[in-house]
Amino acid sequence: QKEVEQNSGPLSVPEGAIASLNCTYSDRGSQSFFWYRQYSGKSPELIMSIYSNGDKEDGRFTAQLNKASQYVSLLIRDSQPSDSATYLCAVNRSNYQLIWGAGTKLIIKP
Amino acid sequence: DTEVTQTPKHLVMGMTNKKSLKCEQHMGHRAMYWYKQKAKKPPELMFVYSYEKLSINESVPSRFSPECPNSSLLNLHLHALQPEDSALYLCASSQDWGNTEAFFGQGTRLTVV
Repeated sequence: QKEVEQNSGPLSVPEGAIASLNCTYSDRGSQSFFWYRQYSGKSPELIMSIYSNGDKEDGRFTAQLNKASQYVSLLIRDSQPSDSATYLCAVNRSNYQLIWGAGTKLIIKP
Repeated sequence: DTEVTQTPKHLVMGMTNKKSLKCEQHMGHRAMYWYKQKAKKPPELMFVYSYEKLSINESVPSRFSPECPNSSLLNLHLHALQPEDSALYLCASSQDWGNTEAFFGQGTRLTVV
């Protein structure tokens, strides 16, 4: 079992719809959780961080964390073609090492 | 300002060459990182510097040699690389080593010929 798991996709979503990206992790002591967006050939860009259970909203993005279920998700509302990218989930383990999921490729279809 | 600057953007080097990658941040961050990323894979941690001291070396071959001259600068010295070392090399920084957000530079695309 991988420490941080994501569906590799591709996840295809119509323009204007909600894109839902999911991530599960294995270390129950993990304290901080991050979503990065990476366009092809570019570096990862931090888009959301979340540290406590519940929802955190920033513009069209909402991160959701459920520590009991060891689950973190990212919702993108009103999806745009410019949201097409690979989304990487990263989790700080209890020993502070950052563990990365393999990423989910998101395609927004006009 | 969340900018991390890496130079050069692209580098082609022969297997007998010596080259260096450079990284700079002016956010007052105390932790800096080198990552290696292959196509369609997540970033792979190489080194962590915390307060200018090497904290983590993820069993990286000695042909990669990191250096942290001061709190704003991070270098990666390259020597006798192999073609399989061709990858995107990413520098990142964060406030501290731990549960804090990491910001990446634009990366150096390295090709070893």
